Amino acid sequence: GDSVTQMEGPVTLSEEACLTINCTYTATGYPSLFWYVQYPGEGLQLLLKATKADDKGSNKGFEATYRKETTSFHLEKGSVQVSDSAVYFCALFHSGGYNKLIFGAGTRLAVHP
Amino acid sequence: NAGVTQTPKFQVLKTGQSMTLQCAQDMNHEYMSWYRQDPGMGLRLIHYSVGAGITDQGEVPNGYNVSRSTTEDFPLRLLSAAPSQTSVYFCASSGGTGELFFGEGSRLTVL
Repeated sequence: GDSVTQMEGPVTLSEEACLTINCTYTATGYPSLFWYVQYPGEGLQLLLKATKADDKGSNKGFEATYRKETTSFHLEKGSVQVSDSAVYFCALFHSGGYNKLIFGAGTRLAVHP
Repeated sequence: NAGVTQTPKFQVLKTGQSMTLQCAQDMNHEYMSWYRQDPGMGLRLIHYSVGAGITDQGEVPNGYNVSRSTTEDFPLRLLSAAPSQTSVYFCASSGGTGELFFGEGSRLTVL
């Protein structure tokens, strides 16, 4: 079945450091891929998405490229801020289901001043 | 601009008690779902609904019931709470694009 694997956290960085959170997936066909972010005490919210191979999703300085050849969707940011501290979830959406997202386990990011 | 509203935000139950987590959305979304979030396990789908009167089971449905009498509301019922149901519960809705809109969560502790 479809699945999503994320790098384990926590990831601890200093402000202005570069961030990469790895995400790989297993799926048949051509799923859409998402990154969701969960700030402390809140629900998840969509950060960015890509719907087909080679698409790049971007938002708030974060970006991720849909790589079908490596089945990956790594999240990157060139310079993180303390306010980026959160849990990040990679997710896969496969049309043909009801609208069900398959989530990775989440990666906690802590950014220190 | 309410989006998805969940109540209560916090609840403590004793083993064997029952309760209902409420979820309402004002975006006229057909799809609604309930997830539980446990440390190190991401989000796991409990139940979902593709429209009023239609519900189905997700990955971890045991111990939970749902109903969908209106487009707006999708309550989750625990009939006899167990300590294994201690978790954070999220309701979400979607308009069909794969993008989910989440509520703020309900933290449940079962003693």
